[in-house]
Order: sequence, then structure tokens, then C-alpha cells
Amino acid sequence: QKEVEQDPGPLSVPEGAIVSLNCTYSNSAFQYFMWYRQYSRKGPELLMYTYSSGNKEDGRFTAQVDKSSKYISLFIRDSQPSDSATYLCAMSARKTGGFKTIFGAGTRLFVKA
Amino acid sequence: DTGVSQNPRHKITKRGQNVTFRCDPISEHNRLYWYRQTLGQGPEFLTYFQNEAQLEKSRLLSDRFSAERPKGSFSTLEIQRTEQGDSAMYLCASSLVVGMNTEAFFGQGTRLTVV
Repeated sequence: QKEVEQDPGPLSVPEGAIVSLNCTYSNSAFQYFMWYRQYSRKGPELLMYTYSSGNKEDGRFTAQVDKSSKYISLFIRDSQPSDSATYLCAMSARKTGGFKTIFGAGTRLFVKA
Repeated sequence: DTGVSQNPRHKITKRGQNVTFRCDPISEHNRLYWYRQTLGQGPEFLTYFQNEAQLEKSRLLSDRFSAERPKGSFSTLEIQRTEQGDSAMYLCASSLVVGMNTEAFFGQGTRLTVV
């Protein structure tokens, strides 16, 4: 079993829809949770960064972390064609000498105009 | 542009050749990471530096791979005797680790194709 599981999609939605992207994880030591957006043939771009449980909102994006269920979500409101990309979840845990960060495989999102 | 810069963006090489990639992190960042990403997968950790010290290397980093960060600024990743399985996107990221903050920012990557 992978430490971080993410449905690869693809997920196709009409413009204006609310998008829900999710990851589950197995390591309860993860404390830091990130969402990255990656356009084709580009590097990942950090969207949201959350420490521990709770919600964080930034514009059209809301990140949720439920540590009791080992489940994190990213919601995109009023989705736009420019949101079409691969969304990667990532999570980090402290370990001796630093941090361990694991990425999900990414979910491909298509927003149709 | 004050982001993470990687060069070259693309590299095609013949099997058995050596290649070297360069990463220039965000200037005030003290930590630099190398990742490898293959199609349909998330980035996989290879190694990281705290200033000029290489603190951790993944099991993915075989003896043919070596990374340096000589003055705690830019870093190079060298792959010797390349194999077709080395074909991937090589990503560099940097972060300023202060207290609990571990946000990492990625460069655009170097896409390596071994033929």
C-alpha cells in the first residue's frame, strides 16, 4: 500500500462547477499538507499549505485536512478552463535530520468551456 | 525572475553518456531538493541539501548519481553512464526552513530523454 493514495482521474467538469480533489494517507505522522498544481511539461506550483487539521481558504481554493480520517481535500469553486492541470497532494512528517515528503500520483483535471 | 531556475530545460543523450543539470534556488532559501518525476507519477525524492551539506539521499539515488551544492547556492546533479530508465523529469525545489515552515517551491524541471 502506498503511503499516499490519489485517484489519477481524469476528472472532467463543466466551467463553473465546484471541483473536489482528494487524497488519503496511511502515516499518522504527517503534519504538513500541501496541494500543488502542475501544468503539462512544467514544474509543480504550490497552491495551498496547511499545518495539521482544519480548513484554509485562498480565493477560489479551499483545502481541508481531516487527520482523524487521514483524508485531505482541495475544493475549487467556479472552476475555469485555466484550472485544467494535474493536481498533486503532498504531505510531510518530521524525521531525524529533517522532513519526509511524499507526493500523490496526481489527479488530472479538465474544465470544459 | 526570482523563482527556482533549472538548466537545461530539455536534454537528449545517448545511453552511456554522462549528463549534468543545474539548479539555481531562490536566493535566500537554505534548503535545496532534487526530485525525479516519471509520466503519471508524483515527484519522488532523490536528495536534499541544507546549505552546502547533503543531508539525505534516497535509495533511488544509485552510485551513478551525484549531487553537489558547493557554496550553498546553486546545485548540480550529474548522472553517469545514463540508462534508458533514467529518462524522466528532474525537478529541483528550494525552501526556507524557519521553525515549522517547510513550503517548497519547484523549478520548471529538466526533461531527460536517454536514447
